[in-house]
Amino acid sequence: KQEVTQIPAALSVPEGENLVLNCSFTDSAIYNLQWFRQDPGKGLTSLLLIQSSQREQTSGRLNASLDKSSGRSTLYIAASQPGDSATYLCAVPVVDQGGKLIFGQGTELSVKP
Amino acid sequence: DAGVIQSPRHEVTEMGQEVTLRCKPISGHDYLFWYRQTMMRGLELLIYFNNNVPIDDSGMPEDRFSAKMPNASFSTLKIQPSEPRDSAVYFCASSTDTGHKKLFFGSGTQLSVL
Repeated sequence: KQEVTQIPAALSVPEGENLVLNCSFTDSAIYNLQWFRQDPGKGLTSLLLIQSSQREQTSGRLNASLDKSSGRSTLYIAASQPGDSATYLCAVPVVDQGGKLIFGQGTELSVKP
Repeated sequence: DAGVIQSPRHEVTEMGQEVTLRCKPISGHDYLFWYRQTMMRGLELLIYFNNNVPIDDSGMPEDRFSAKMPNASFSTLKIQPSEPRDSAVYFCASSTDTGHKKLFFGSGTQLSVL
């Protein structure tokens, strides 16, 4: 059974700092991994989708990496800003249950001015 | 595009009442998903549709929950009768594919059952 874990549950950093959020999964037979952002009282916004054949995916100040063999993904945020404060979740689809995404519990990020 | 639209944004009801949540997916998206989010269990998939047909409803907690998609632009999630443990945020999401493409979420319905 696939399990997705995100550590830490919460992170507070000063503005301008580079940071890394971690996501681990137990079953390496995935075909992609998505990183989402959730603002308080809002839905989730897909930030990056990294295919299993890819090692990295970049969008602006965000860079996601994927290492299937070790069951890990990281989301790197460069030069963090207060507007980056949100909860970040990673999710993987269950193989053979294509519609079902398994989500981590998220990392709540706070960037202090 | 307006994105995935859900209504109502907030619903407060009493135990035993019927609750109906509504969703309009993004035009052209033929996959629609209903998720529930709680502090204890995180995000859980309840049911998803492909071309208006329910594909996997294994996440629906019990017979009190039902979902329909009468056409490509509208879906409902109904709880009858509602119970306090149903209190959660219910999200609708849509996509052009199952797990292979980005998933687009609505803003959710915050349900409180008293």
